Amino acid sequence: GAVVSQHPSWVICKSGTSVKIECRSLDFQATTMFWYRQFPKQSLMLMATSNEGSKATYEQGVEKDKFLINHASLTLSTLTVTSAHPEDSSFYICSARDPRDIAYEQYFGPGTRLTVT
Amino acid sequence: GDSVTQMEGPVTLSEEAFLTINCTYTATGYPSLFWYVQYPGEGLQLLLKATKADDKGSNKGFEATYRKETTSFHLEKGSVQVSDSAVYFCALRDSSYKLIFGSGTRLLVRP
Repeated sequence: GAVVSQHPSWVICKSGTSVKIECRSLDFQATTMFWYRQFPKQSLMLMATSNEGSKATYEQGVEKDKFLINHASLTLSTLTVTSAHPEDSSFYICSARDPRDIAYEQYFGPGTRLTVT
Repeated sequence: GDSVTQMEGPVTLSEEAFLTINCTYTATGYPSLFWYVQYPGEGLQLLLKATKADDKGSNKGFEATYRKETTSFHLEKGSVQVSDSAVYFCALRDSSYKLIFGSGTRLLVRP
């Protein structure tokens, strides 16, 4: 159980365009989802926390107008990178928390590699 | 703020060798500590965890002990296998339930 998927797994877009990444909890309803960014050979950095039906909470230094997060249902959160630039190229990972899990574990998706040309 | 430091990789070992990956943390309060593993092409998976001082987490032959006095949570395995080749992340969960990760250590096990 507790499977999280991401789509697409890999995307290339041109500078100035927008790209949407989906994160789905497949076998549970996730009231809370998280978005991370991972640079090569570096740690995962939390970008934002999204709660179903409310606005996302962004970490300090993350541009909320550039990284739009929508958590419209209990099984789907989306991250839209608007007006992408080459410096936005990175590996984006989502995770989800199962509210039934009293240990507050996060279950991670496989990640999406974004390349902006 | 809270932070996690783990040894840089890659770590290259022969099969059946002993593994240690060092992890130390800085935190206010008493965080829970975790090791996650990321196999090629897959998402992070929880490997083991410890929620209080002196707790030992264990799974699949891996062990780590929460050492409050040295603020450490080193990962060990007595005999590694080729299938253990992956990237290992040490992490802590802070008081707001956010995960803070170390930079990851790539392990390569040769037959």
